[in-house]
Amino acid sequence: GEDVEQSLFLSVREGDSSVINCTYTDSSSTYLYWYKQEPGAGLQLLTYIFSNMDMKQDQRLTVLLNKKDKHLSLRIADTQTGDSAIYFCAVPDSSASKIIFGSGTRLSIRP
Amino acid sequence: NAGVMQNPRHLVRRRGQEARLRCSPMKGHSHVYWYRQLPEEGLKFMVYLQKENIIDESGMPKERFSAEFPKEGPSILRIQQVVRGDSAAYFCASSPPLSGSGGELFFGEGSRLTVL
Repeated sequence: GEDVEQSLFLSVREGDSSVINCTYTDSSSTYLYWYKQEPGAGLQLLTYIFSNMDMKQDQRLTVLLNKKDKHLSLRIADTQTGDSAIYFCAVPDSSASKIIFGSGTRLSIRP
Repeated sequence: NAGVMQNPRHLVRRRGQEARLRCSPMKGHSHVYWYRQLPEEGLKFMVYLQKENIIDESGMPKERFSAEFPKEGPSILRIQQVVRGDSAAYFCASSPPLSGSGGELFFGEGSRLTVL
């Protein structure tokens, strides 16, 4: 089945860029997602990218996709304290009957 | 337009008791997913249901756990004879049918089960 891997923690200084990385195993996924979970809350879709794209930019967010290496990254420019959250990479499994989530990367911001 | 509603938000049970978690999907969504989030761990898929059908239960423990999504009413995740290891946040998500290209899941705020 699909396996999605992320590092668990990232700490950045306020105003710097944050880069969260993800690797996955199934190459048939057409959409790949980034979800955000704030403390005590559910997950919300942050952004997504089609598998036929290499990059997608949305304001402070940039998603990069390397299909050959099965590597997905999320870059947050000018990181703010409100960006503190857990960020999940998510990929549909090969049957597309469910979405598989990574372990989540906890982003903390230093002043 | 209410989102995905889960209740209770917090549930405390003693070992051996039963826990019932309820989920009402977003209006118009007929697909429901349950995920479990253990402390300091990621989100693990448990089960995918449509009305009156279990589509994929590959993530459900073989014993003590069951799920249903009846024709009328919310989806229910039932845990019998709870143990301390069942303590976790249980998230429900709903969606329109996922096509071969996937689709967005809409999450509830979770039900946090604590087993004493």
